[in-house]
Amino acid sequence: AQSVTQLGSHVSVSEGALVLLRCNYSSSVPPYLFWYVQYPNQGLQLLLKYTSAATLVKGINGFEAEFKKSETSFHLTKPSAHMSDAAEYFCAVSEVGAQKLVFGQGTRLTINP
Amino acid sequence: EPEVTQTPSHQVTQMGQEVILRCVPISNHLYFYWYRQILGQKVEFLVSFYNNEISEKSEIFDDQFSVERPDGSNFTLKIRSTKLEDSAMYFCASSEGAFENIQYFGAGTRLSVL
Repeated sequence: AQSVTQLGSHVSVSEGALVLLRCNYSSSVPPYLFWYVQYPNQGLQLLLKYTSAATLVKGINGFEAEFKKSETSFHLTKPSAHMSDAAEYFCAVSEVGAQKLVFGQGTRLTINP
Repeated sequence: EPEVTQTPSHQVTQMGQEVILRCVPISNHLYFYWYRQILGQKVEFLVSFYNNEISEKSEIFDDQFSVERPDGSNFTLKIRSTKLEDSAMYFCASSEGAFENIQYFGAGTRLSVL
């Protein structure tokens, strides 16, 4: 069965610093991969997706993620953190042709002024 | 921008009562989903729905749960006899198609079973 592991349930960075949120998946074939963000009292918003095109994927709000098949990873990065980036971030995976998303446990990102 | 709408935002119920959670998916979407997130745990898939029938469901989605698209716009999740462990945030999602599976989520309904 598919699984997703997000290393670090809580990440704290200073404003202007690099943001790195880690995600590893288990799959025998390259799946579809997603990052979602959840702001307080809001739903899950799609940040970016990987669907077997370019391995470096750019998303909204300056975020990007790189698909590395050899490492089964899909880490999310942003060069310079902004206070508005504070939220919970979820990595998710689906197998090609499948419908359900399998989520990681989420990483809460805190930005320090 | 089109969005998935869920009502109510918070539902409080007594154990054993029936609840219906409502969702209005994005209008041109054909696939509908329910997920739940128990406090402190992962977001878990419950069920997917296409062409007026369940296309996939998880082990969580037992006989206590049912889904329905009663008209052209609403998509509902019914829990027949709620248990304490049903307390969770329930998310509805929809997607235009199955290809690439980009699912758009609502803000969720927080269900509290007392």
